[in-house]
Amino acid sequence: GAVVSQHPSWVICKSGTSVKIECRSLDFQATTMFWYRQFPKQSLMLMATSNEGSKATYEQGVEKDKFLINHASLTLSTLTVTSAHPEDSSFYICSASPTGQGNQPQHFGDGTRLSIL
Amino acid sequence: GQSLEQPSEVTAVEGAIVQINCTYQTSGFYGLSWYQQHDGGAPTFLSYNGLDGLEETGRFSSFLSRSDSYGYLLLQELQMKDSASYFCAVRIGDAGKSTFGDGTTLTVKP
Repeated sequence: GAVVSQHPSWVICKSGTSVKIECRSLDFQATTMFWYRQFPKQSLMLMATSNEGSKATYEQGVEKDKFLINHASLTLSTLTVTSAHPEDSSFYICSASPTGQGNQPQHFGDGTRLSIL
Repeated sequence: GQSLEQPSEVTAVEGAIVQINCTYQTSGFYGLSWYQQHDGGAPTFLSYNGLDGLEETGRFSSFLSRSDSYGYLLLQELQMKDSASYFCAVRIGDAGKSTFGDGTTLTVKP
C-alpha cells in the first residue's frame, strides 16, 4: 500500500535554530501534500497545502515566512521551521495521496516531534 | 469555513458496541473520513464515506447522511486496543484537503 515517510521522528534543539522536516511518498507520486500541526490533546490543524512546482497555500493565521514549504519533486515536500522558539514545539505531520486520487484516503507520515528548548 | 462536532469522550466495556457521531458544517464537501490515533502516534485511516450510506470494514463501520450533514463511526466487539482518539474529518475538494474534528477519546474497560 501507499507509504509516506517522515524524517526526522524527533528533534530537540535550541531556540533560534531552523529545523527542516522531510515528507516522502515512497511508492507513489504526490502532486499535493499537506502539513498539519498537533498540540497535546488537541486536533490536527492544517497548516498548509504543499504543491509540487508551485507555491504552497497557507491556512489563515499560519506565517508563511516562519514555516517554509518546498515541494521540488513529486515525492518530496519539506517543511522548515525557521528560527524556532518554544511555542513552535509541537507534533508536525504530513499527509499525501497519489496524484489524481484525492478521493482516496490520505496517508500520513509517522510525524515529527519538535521540542525547542 | 468548516466546523465539526463530535463527543469529547466515550467509555465502553470490552465486547460492546460504540457509536461516535460527527456533525459538520462546511462548503465544498467531498466526503467524510475517520481516523484513529493512539497516544504518541500518527493518525491511521479507518474509513471514508463519499456517498450516503454505510461502509463496513471488519469491526468498523461508518455512515454518512449528506442531507443531514451527519455521520458516525461504529465500532463493534470492542477490544482494549481500541482505546484511542478518533477523529472525523471532512474532505474539501478533490485534492484530499481535510479539516479535522476535535477528536473523541474512547476508553475501553475490561
